[in-house]
Amino acid sequence: DIVMTQSPDSLAVSLGERATINCKSSQSVLYSSNNKNYLAWYQQKPGQPPKLLIYWASSRESGVPDRFSGGGSETDFTLTISSLQAEDVAVYYCQQYYGSSRTFGQGTKVEIK
Amino acid sequence: EVQLVESGGGLVKPGGSLRLSCAASGFTFSGYNMNWVRQAPGKGLEWVSSISSSSGYLSYADSVRGRFTISRDNAKNSLFLQMNSLRAEDTGVYYCARDGSVHDYWYFDLWGRGTLVTVSS
Repeated sequence: DIVMTQSPDSLAVSLGERATINCKSSQSVLYSSNNKNYLAWYQQKPGQPPKLLIYWASSRESGVPDRFSGGGSETDFTLTISSLQAEDVAVYYCQQYYGSSRTFGQGTKVEIK
Repeated sequence: EVQLVESGGGLVKPGGSLRLSCAASGFTFSGYNMNWVRQAPGKGLEWVSSISSSSGYLSYADSVRGRFTISRDNAKNSLFLQMNSLRAEDTGVYYCARDGSVHDYWYFDLWGRGTLVTVSS
């Protein structure tokens, strides 16, 4: 199985500041035939199910604020929150869908400093 | 409203069985691959099982293969997970999740609120 490793495990950012979460896969999730990275990002607030934010590494799901952006390729990816808002406090997960067994990172908890 | 609603969770003894259900509404259920994803208390997310739109393809995580069975009833817009030989490590919230792809197995674009399964003596 492809192992997904996120860093850091947690981070505290001031309101209005940038938050960056990293995700590294144990093998490339870039499919050469269509040049797409099979990687998604989710947000999970306390007591709620996960919510899809980003797919294909950088495509924003409908309704997701544009302060959320995804980047990277092959094995190294980032989720950036350009200006942290109070409602962004949550745990964020990356997930690969390249392998037959879809796997998630361990999660990164984002808090307000 | 587009939604998934899980039910069937509860407390069960080790070695016991439980059947989870997921009722879909607001979209053409028969057109989507569906999944179960679980989350142990205070832990991260783990994909459990997937089923194709026509039930022709089933897949399982190694941790549940041989013990869990996924199925669906498109006429009733319902997804199921039969869980047998339950272990303490199966404890967690089980989410029903719609696949973002009609023909493949990608990201999960719609989630239910989950149902809690507790395996304890």
